[in-house]
Amino acid sequence: GAVVSQHPSRVICKSGTSVKIECRSLDFQATTMFWYRQFPKQSLMLMATSNEGSKATYEQGVEKDKFLINHASLTLSTLTVTSAHPEDSSFYICSAKRPGQSSYEQYFGPGTRLTVT
Amino acid sequence: GDSVTQMEGPVTLSEEAFLTINCTYTATGYPSLFWYVQYPGEGLQLLLKATKADDKGSNKGFEATYRKETTSFHLEKGSVQVSDSAVYFCALRMDQKLVFGQGTRLTINP
Repeated sequence: GAVVSQHPSRVICKSGTSVKIECRSLDFQATTMFWYRQFPKQSLMLMATSNEGSKATYEQGVEKDKFLINHASLTLSTLTVTSAHPEDSSFYICSAKRPGQSSYEQYFGPGTRLTVT
Repeated sequence: GDSVTQMEGPVTLSEEAFLTINCTYTATGYPSLFWYVQYPGEGLQLLLKATKADDKGSNKGFEATYRKETTSFHLEKGSVQVSDSAVYFCALRMDQKLVFGQGTRLTINP
């Protein structure tokens, strides 16, 4: 099946710094990518939907200036957590969809655990 | 808003045991329902789906039936294997967006 990778798998950063997480579709072109966030023992929450070449659509309550999403190519989307704080510590998961696929047919990455100290 | 509630884990069973993971949902319309599975170190994968009431989704020995009257989509398997150890997520789709439950970690002991 299609593979989506994320890098890094784990990252620790200091409060006030920014951290970038990459999401790549390895064997297909993804016109749409999604970013989710998961707190311990809680659901995956959709943060934003990004379409290649256009601005991301953020879900209600997600700060677009804090969580910068760039989908500059058909195989790469990045999430940058700016001025990170301990409350941003979480598990971030991306997914990607082929053109024409239904939204449930997303291919998910393995996730990135962010810890802000 | 729309939401999904799963039974809290972790769940630990012996090989060949019967599995049920409960899932209920709240939605304003008639969503499609899904179960995803996440094996260690991998991304979530679609396990099965049901798009309307009374539909039964099945895959790899797992089954779930869309019950509109009880707003439920419980996952079942008659005889689990060690290789079924994973985290299972129930989800619904409304307006092209997926809404997930919190996940249930399942461990199968030999």
